[in-house]
Amino acid sequence: AQSVAQPEDQVNVAEGNPLTVKCTYSVSGNPYLFWYVQYPNRGLQFLLKYITGDNLVKGSYGFEAEFNKSQTSFHLKKPSALVSDSALYFCAVRRTDSWGKLQFGAGTQVVVTP
Amino acid sequence: DAGVTQSPTHLIKTRGQQVTLRCSPKSGHDTVSWYQQALGQGPQFIFQYYEEEERQRGNFPDRFSGHQFPNYSSELNVNALLLGDSALYLCASSRQGGGGELFFGEGSRLTVL
Repeated sequence: AQSVAQPEDQVNVAEGNPLTVKCTYSVSGNPYLFWYVQYPNRGLQFLLKYITGDNLVKGSYGFEAEFNKSQTSFHLKKPSALVSDSALYFCAVRRTDSWGKLQFGAGTQVVVTP
Repeated sequence: DAGVTQSPTHLIKTRGQQVTLRCSPKSGHDTVSWYQQALGQGPQFIFQYYEEEERQRGNFPDRFSGHQFPNYSSELNVNALLLGDSALYLCASSRQGGGGELFFGEGSRLTVL
């Protein structure tokens, strides 16, 4: 079985401040980890992924994420948040042998205030 | 390069009716997955199609069925609609052997009255 936990329903941050969205996971074997962003009434947009290699992954729009195997975490980070980063963020995990079957977290609403 | 396209964008049905949703994958992609996203929740995996066959299935009843055509496009069919089927239905495409990420369409918003 695989599962994802996003412990915060909402994260509030002032524009220009660092942004962190937390994610922990549970999966058998080596995980494939993903972050997606969703704007109101839209589909999901891919931000970044971890499959193997460097624990720090860089993605779109200045976002990055750090894979921590011992803590089974994959937190999303951005050094300086923009108002346009306000959206719903989803962490997802899948097993290496489970192509296309992502297990999503419940999502974290990010609100960036000017 | 067109991304994943879905139709219709919105539709309203009544309980007991049947619905068909359609998806065209991103160019170069051969695998289509369907997800259901209820209001305020993360997407839930319904099933995946590759080479015109259902390859994986999530915890959804047999009322949910699908099809993939030779051009890789796909349909999701839901029979005997229930109020609880109201959700955003997302289609995602990928390429076998690719980077593993899914590319999502804008979704079809289904309301069951």
